[in-house]
Amino acid sequence: DTAVSQTPKYLVTQMGNDKSIKCEQNLGHDTMYWYKQDSKKFLKIMFSYNNKELIINETVPNRFSPKSPDKAHLNLHINSLELGDSAVYFCASSPRLAGGGTQYFGPGTRLTVL
Amino acid sequence: ILNVEQSPQSLHVQEGDSTNFTCSFPSSNFYALHWYRWETAKSPEALFVMTLNGDEKKKGRISATLNTKEGYSYLYIKGSQPEDSATYLCASHTGTASKLTFGTGTRLQVTL
Repeated sequence: DTAVSQTPKYLVTQMGNDKSIKCEQNLGHDTMYWYKQDSKKFLKIMFSYNNKELIINETVPNRFSPKSPDKAHLNLHINSLELGDSAVYFCASSPRLAGGGTQYFGPGTRLTVL
Repeated sequence: ILNVEQSPQSLHVQEGDSTNFTCSFPSSNFYALHWYRWETAKSPEALFVMTLNGDEKKKGRISATLNTKEGYSYLYIKGSQPEDSATYLCASHTGTASKLTFGTGTRLQVTL
């Protein structure tokens, strides 16, 4: 019973392509996030959504567009992929927006742009 | 302190050793401090969420303390085992925002 799942786990694509990563949580949480793990293994917040509403957008290029069709899903679409987009992308969820709620992470999607 | 900083960056101990590492975070507008354990090829897993100054939490051989006035938290592992090998991340929650700011982690390796 996976709590936070992401697909695909690995994604290899050419520069210039458009790709999507899907995330689903079955925890009944209100808030979902996308993080990027950069080349220095640092986890940086990209977006957060609360009840399908965008809350945080951390200076991410507008080639990245999150979409939340319902509060259990937060997908990440990336247009015109660049070499620098290669990274591991983690989805996470937490019970609510504010406060110190624990975040539950998905397994990550390793994106390689050639 | 403006960012979340962790030290040391990496640590190599023998089985049975006790160890500790530090997380420093901005003390203004503090809301919560999280510790996560991140094994290679897996996703970060929550260990503790701490909110009160002087708080101490324990989970088996792992414990953590919190000083919100000076902006630091310690994570202790007693009697390290090879299965404790992982990267330990701390993350700070400031104000009422839902954003966690992560440190770069302490990579622990425990050998026999």
